[in-house]
Amino acid sequence: DSGVTQTPKHLITATGQRVTLRCSPRSGDLSVYWYQQSLDQGLQFLIQYYNGEERAKGNILERFSAQQFPDLHSELNLSSLELGDSALYFCASSVAWNTEAFFGQGTRLTVV
Amino acid sequence: EDQVTQSPEALRLQEGESSSLNCSYTVSGLRGLFWYRQDPGKGPEFLFTLYSAGEEKEKERLKATLTKKESFLHITAPKPEDSATYLCAVRGLGGGADGLTFGKGTHLIIQP
Repeated sequence: DSGVTQTPKHLITATGQRVTLRCSPRSGDLSVYWYQQSLDQGLQFLIQYYNGEERAKGNILERFSAQQFPDLHSELNLSSLELGDSALYFCASSVAWNTEAFFGQGTRLTVV
Repeated sequence: EDQVTQSPEALRLQEGESSSLNCSYTVSGLRGLFWYRQDPGKGPEFLFTLYSAGEEKEKERLKATLTKKESFLHITAPKPEDSATYLCAVRGLGGGADGLTFGKGTHLIIQP
């Protein structure tokens, strides 16, 4: 158990819908990352928050957004969903900018 | 742009047959090279962090090494429970992002 908690574990939704994925980082970790994993692309970095502030963006679509709350939990919002958004979405957290990140068990999103 | 290439894509070994996995990288200023293990449908599990050429880390049957252009994950006398996908990732100085750039992984199967 990495200490990073993600909910829900599975999500099935229709095209055009909006969903919210939730992440609680390890106790004491200030940095939260979101990643998308699909079979053909591997793990892709989406976005990072540090202590409530957005720090960096990776390959995140404009339809996607995220935020980190004062209690440090984070949410990833996916809107206008398309079939191609079906993937595993992982949250990870780390103590500092140069230390290892610990991953949650992921949310499997299926868009039908 | 940071890049990570892992080889081979897949490797099948007999129990006890030692081998090495390769991770070649290009990065503008290495701030860390990370190895993870991922089981199907699970989140990546942290194994090692390497920061500078010549550094080595060991854990049970695994040993990670680092040069200026590549890293190796050596597996000594593997057991079936070592079967998993092994992921290599780098964190560079470019773009201000702390997000990791991952390779596509080596799918390792250890046959009894």
